[in-house]
Amino acid sequence: GQQVMQIPQYQHVQEGEDFTTYCNSSTTLSNIQWYKQRPGGHPVFLIQLVKSGEVKKQKRLTFQFGEAKKNSSLHITATQTTDVGTYFCAGRRIAGGTSYGKLTFGQGTILTVHP
Amino acid sequence: EPEVTQTPSHQVTQMGQEVILRCVPISNHLYFYWYRQILGQKVEFLVSFYNNEISEKSEIFDDQFSVERPDGSNFTLKIRSTKLEDSAMYFCASSEAQGRDTEAFFGQGTRLTVV
Repeated sequence: GQQVMQIPQYQHVQEGEDFTTYCNSSTTLSNIQWYKQRPGGHPVFLIQLVKSGEVKKQKRLTFQFGEAKKNSSLHITATQTTDVGTYFCAGRRIAGGTSYGKLTFGQGTILTVHP
Repeated sequence: EPEVTQTPSHQVTQMGQEVILRCVPISNHLYFYWYRQILGQKVEFLVSFYNNEISEKSEIFDDQFSVERPDGSNFTLKIRSTKLEDSAMYFCASSEAQGRDTEAFFGQGTRLTVV
């Protein structure tokens, strides 16, 4: 079945440092979504990437979708303590030309920011 | 802002007992999902539901699990005979459509503890 791998599992940074998490799918994706989960919370949607090579920015966050639509990255510039949490990528696969609603999540990257 | 609501927030049950987890999806959404997250692990897809029937389910979603939309607003997940390994956070999600450009909105989750 489809697998979505995410690295690193943990990332500890000093406030102000940059952070990047990477996501790789075993199959071509229809789209990829990124979620943030605070400790004890639920996944909160950040963004969706649909097009090959797409790059989207949200303030200090930059999201990329690979040309082959099998990998993606999230980069945070100048981290703040409010960025703490687990960042998940989640991919929607294509099968027979149909995009299925099921999201396959990566393992997540736990970000800790030291003030 | 519309949100997915789940009840209860925490459920403790004895092994072998039946539990029903309840969700009220966002009112104009058509696709409904259950995911679970074992403590410290990634979010795993259980089942998707559309037009009063299951559209996709994972290997986790065996005969012990069932879903129902008993009325126009509720979406329930039933576990017939709970096992210790069913202990997890269960998230309900909904989306307007299943395809390419739709985000999934997650509820706050129900923490199920089987003792």
